Amino acid sequence: DTAVSQTPKYLVTQMGNDKSIKCEQNLGHDTMYWYKQDSKKFLKIMFSYNNKELIINETVPNRFSPKSPDKAHLNLHINSLELGDSAVYFCASSRLSPGLAGGASYEQYFGPGTRLTVT
Amino acid sequence: GENVEQHPSTLSVQEGDSAVIKCTYSDSASNYFPWYKQELGKRPQLIIDIRSNVGEKKDQRIAVTLNKTAKHFSLHITETQPEDSAVYFCAASTGANSKLTFGKGITLSVRP
Repeated sequence: DTAVSQTPKYLVTQMGNDKSIKCEQNLGHDTMYWYKQDSKKFLKIMFSYNNKELIINETVPNRFSPKSPDKAHLNLHINSLELGDSAVYFCASSRLSPGLAGGASYEQYFGPGTRLTVT
Repeated sequence: GENVEQHPSTLSVQEGDSAVIKCTYSDSASNYFPWYKQELGKRPQLIIDIRSNVGEKKDQRIAVTLNKTAKHFSLHITETQPEDSAVYFCAASTGANSKLTFGKGITLSVRP
């Protein structure tokens, strides 16, 4: 069984369009993430949700809007796509419950990635 | 915020030799240090991790060492094989909000 799945695997679209990427995990984790990996392979956190609550929101254009309908799903909607949005987007999940100081981090399980190409 | 740096950016070794990849971090509150391997076109996958209460951890041909005073940690791969060729990412976390800060990655090439 696939632990973390993403759809679609490839997404080719034109500038100005709106698109969504879906992510699902069946590991029972309570925390999910979106990362962007650019052409230089740099992995950068975009957002994180814990039990449907946004807990990390890095400096990301507000054209990007995550949504978590339940703790097993985290979707990413992108409005008005730009050339610079072309990248691989990875979803991930972990069993961390954050919050108070002294919280612990655990292994993050990544999805297969969605390669977004904006033309 | 946390800043993680990896050196070198590329590394080429002969099959059977050892490879060492070093990372430094800036936030002394960081307490979790994982290493991820990403093969070409694949997802990053955890290969080993270490917490700040431990100085060294081994798993078969892979080991990680941590020096909290100097704020650096290293990945050691012994008896390298061609299938070890990949991009390796180090990361650090304070545990707050489970955020991982990744280094920029190093491309390891193992020559047969």
